[in-house]
Amino acid sequence: DVKVTQSSRYLVKRTGEKVFLECVQDMDHENMFWYRQDPGLGLRLIYFSYDVKMKEKGDIPEGYSVSREKKERFSLILESASTNQTSMYLCASSSIGLAGPIDTQYFGPGTRLTVL
Amino acid sequence: SQQGEEDPQALSIQEGENATMNCSYKTSINNLQWYRQNSGRGLVHLILIRSNEREKHSGRLRVTLDTSKKSSSLLITASRAADTASYFCATDSGGYQKVTFGIGTKLQVIP
Repeated sequence: DVKVTQSSRYLVKRTGEKVFLECVQDMDHENMFWYRQDPGLGLRLIYFSYDVKMKEKGDIPEGYSVSREKKERFSLILESASTNQTSMYLCASSSIGLAGPIDTQYFGPGTRLTVL
Repeated sequence: SQQGEEDPQALSIQEGENATMNCSYKTSINNLQWYRQNSGRGLVHLILIRSNEREKHSGRLRVTLDTSKKSSSLLITASRAADTASYFCATDSGGYQKVTFGIGTKLQVIP
């Protein structure tokens, strides 16, 4: 079974802190994604990566950066956390499949981040 | 920007009944997928339908796709309390275009 793990289920940080959210997948997937999920807004894509050291902006990249130094690991960085970044953060990965370059996504359990 | 919009936003049914959720989207797509999310958890993939397919089945799930109307429906037959979850449709336009999720339908199945 595909496994996507996220470093923390719950995280509490203070405004202005630098925050690292880590995501690791064990299926040698090429593509990895970071989303945030807020009530009434659904999932919004922050960044995605289709190869090591490659990254593409999603819908809401402002205030975030990412790093993908190894194929299995995709990190989301909040350079200076703000209260409006309080949210559920979901990581996902997918292979290049028969359905196209972006195939079924496998999600991690999520990190609920609270910024005080 | 959201590509898919699910309808209804919330649905409550009795166990054993069928549940139907709809998804509409704005631009042409390559694939459409449905995902389930149990409360406070990550999403789980249910089914993928390609733009050249019209219907697909998986167990108690039936998905239809009408590209002329830019819409899809997810039917869950003989619902169970364990089907209580939020359901999302997700579309991609091919290539390395990003996958876009809708806001979701919250389904409650009452035992």
